[in-house]
Amino acid sequence: EAQVTQNPRYLITVTGKKLTVTCSQNMNHEYMSWYRQDPGLGLRQIYYSMNVEVTDKGDVPEGYKVSRKEKRNFPLILESPSPNQTSLYFCASSPQWPSGSPYEQYFGPGTRLTVT
Amino acid sequence: GNSVTQMEGPVTLSEEAFLTINCTYTATGYPSLFWYVQYPGEGLQLLLKATKADDKGSNKGFEATYRKETTSFHLEKGSVQVSDSAVYFCALSESTGFQKLVFGTGTRLLVSP
Repeated sequence: EAQVTQNPRYLITVTGKKLTVTCSQNMNHEYMSWYRQDPGLGLRQIYYSMNVEVTDKGDVPEGYKVSRKEKRNFPLILESPSPNQTSLYFCASSPQWPSGSPYEQYFGPGTRLTVT
Repeated sequence: GNSVTQMEGPVTLSEEAFLTINCTYTATGYPSLFWYVQYPGEGLQLLLKATKADDKGSNKGFEATYRKETTSFHLEKGSVQVSDSAVYFCALSESTGFQKLVFGTGTRLLVSP
């Protein structure tokens, strides 16, 4: 089954304790992205990756890191989490978008993170 | 920059009622437009899309028309069901071939029997 998986689904942690949220897709997609969802703000992009070893900042990258060592995996790293990073996080993937032909983005089920 | 504005929710309807969720956008160039749906406890999934002016996207009884003159992409359904209860997001994607999605804030739909 084609899917994007995220782990963990729920995480409660304390300020400053490094954590990693994993994301994996089995569709051989080139493009992967992380979003955070907050009430009243919709989804905002944190980081994205156009392919292996190619990553770039989205709209709200502060406090986050990513890596793309393999095509299928795109982990999100919080080196020193703070309470303002409490949010619902989504990973998404899609095939590379040729000019003029947008593709659907496939979303994972989400990771609810609480930082106390 | 590009942005999407959606009507505030929640929208509360009885089963079989007509649904409209308004969406307007601001963008340079010629964006593609999308509606995504998020059912409780799940990730987002694409509901429908339109890639150029006057295109109509449709799926599962929902439809939306890309109106360049009014910069709108309103979502409609003639007869909603309880199972349509979800959060609906309008989104645009820039026309440069770059796949970033810009989302609206989402509209929660609650349908009662």
